[in-house]
Amino acid sequence: EAGVTQFPSHSVIEKGQTVTLRCDPISGHDNLYWYRRVMGKEIKFLLHFVKESKQDESGMPNNRFLAERTGGTYSTLKVQPAELEDSGVYFCASSHETGVVPGNTIYFGEGSWLTVV
Amino acid sequence: AQSVTQLGSHVSVSEGALVLLRCNYSSSVPPYLFWYVQYPNQGLQLLLKYTTGATLVKGINGFEAEFKKSETSFHLTKPSAHMSDAAEYFCAVSSANTGNQFYFGTGTSLTVIP
Repeated sequence: EAGVTQFPSHSVIEKGQTVTLRCDPISGHDNLYWYRRVMGKEIKFLLHFVKESKQDESGMPNNRFLAERTGGTYSTLKVQPAELEDSGVYFCASSHETGVVPGNTIYFGEGSWLTVV
Repeated sequence: AQSVTQLGSHVSVSEGALVLLRCNYSSSVPPYLFWYVQYPNQGLQLLLKYTTGATLVKGINGFEAEFKKSETSFHLTKPSAHMSDAAEYFCAVSSANTGNQFYFGTGTSLTVIP
């Protein structure tokens, strides 16, 4: 079974440019999450999809970030225009169940490393 | 509000020595606690988790952690370090209130010295 896959694995862009990160969750997982780790700091929640609907987007830093999950399959996270402070690792994760319940596991991808110069 | 503190951003141990990675949490409701590991060039992998029941939780690769409510701690241990344990380790907390939103610590990088 394929895990959570993310693309690109690394991206270097100039300030003001646009970057789109893609996440393919594990097949059959309705729940998809985005997290971000800025260098040296904690991994922070960005948002949560249940199928194609945004369940919780309280962690999105500002309106330069746009997440979509059309059709309830893969998701994209667009940063436009990118700023220096957006540099970090963007993790995507997925789970079958909603909520933290015994037996439910949230699976993370390898992350997309974004560097804004 | 929930938060996690991981003491020591870098820990070094000799091969065969005890591994102890510290995690303290803050939560106003019963917590769910997790340890994730990130090996170089890989994603976050679940090591173990505590939700309810037995407070001593065993995970993969010989790791275990004990939930101590009185100390608000969930320290990760392994009796004997192996070279392959070198990685970054993240403690995280969630709860029934926060649902799918995990609160992570800043991570601890473990170096194993041969």
